[in-house]
Amino acid sequence: QQKVQQSPESLSVPEGGMASFNCTSSDRNFQYFWWYRQHSGEGPKALMSIFSDGDKKEGRFTAHLNKASLHVSLHIRDSQPSDSALYFCAASEQTGGYKVVFGSGTRLLVSP
Amino acid sequence: EAAVTQSPRNKVTVTGGNVTLSCRQTNSHNYMYWYRQDTGHGLRLIHYSYGAGNLQIGDVPDGYKATRTTQEDFFLLLELASPSQTSLYFCASSDAGGSNQAPLFGEGTRLSVL
Repeated sequence: QQKVQQSPESLSVPEGGMASFNCTSSDRNFQYFWWYRQHSGEGPKALMSIFSDGDKKEGRFTAHLNKASLHVSLHIRDSQPSDSALYFCAASEQTGGYKVVFGSGTRLLVSP
Repeated sequence: EAAVTQSPRNKVTVTGGNVTLSCRQTNSHNYMYWYRQDTGHGLRLIHYSYGAGNLQIGDVPDGYKATRTTQEDFFLLLELASPSQTSLYFCASSDAGGSNQAPLFGEGTRLSVL
């Protein structure tokens, strides 16, 4: 079983709407979290990091981390068709190495 | 500009064949990773390394070997390829020396094992 569980598997929102992604980890050793985005035919690209409890906002993107419940989320406001992509949650632990693991991803479709 | 370059971009081999995937980073990063991407499973970590000569086992290592020959170069070896290893493979690098930088990915290698 993957240590990082993502939901939903897919999501469809209208242009201008809010897209929300969830990620839960099963390993309390995870200390650092990232959200990645992958457009078709490309490698994943990091969107934003979050390492502390609470919210972190970067433009239209807001991430939230709750270390007690091992839950991290990503919200995209004013979604655009160009936001249509595969979104991954990633987490790392630093116990004898710097291992970075990913969730299974959420596919977002933003319709004009 | 930071970059991770993978080669080849596409590879077709037969069952039992020998395949080497190459990755080079010019970012002076100490960590390098190999992942495979499959629908429904996301990105799964095969092997990773924190320096030349070092190798760490990932979550799905069976059937794969890896070697880090220099700071820049990380290779993934499939010595007896099987159809189950048909996948999209990504290499990534990061500087984990206290900066907790997000791994930077290459563009991927699509491997088909017939």
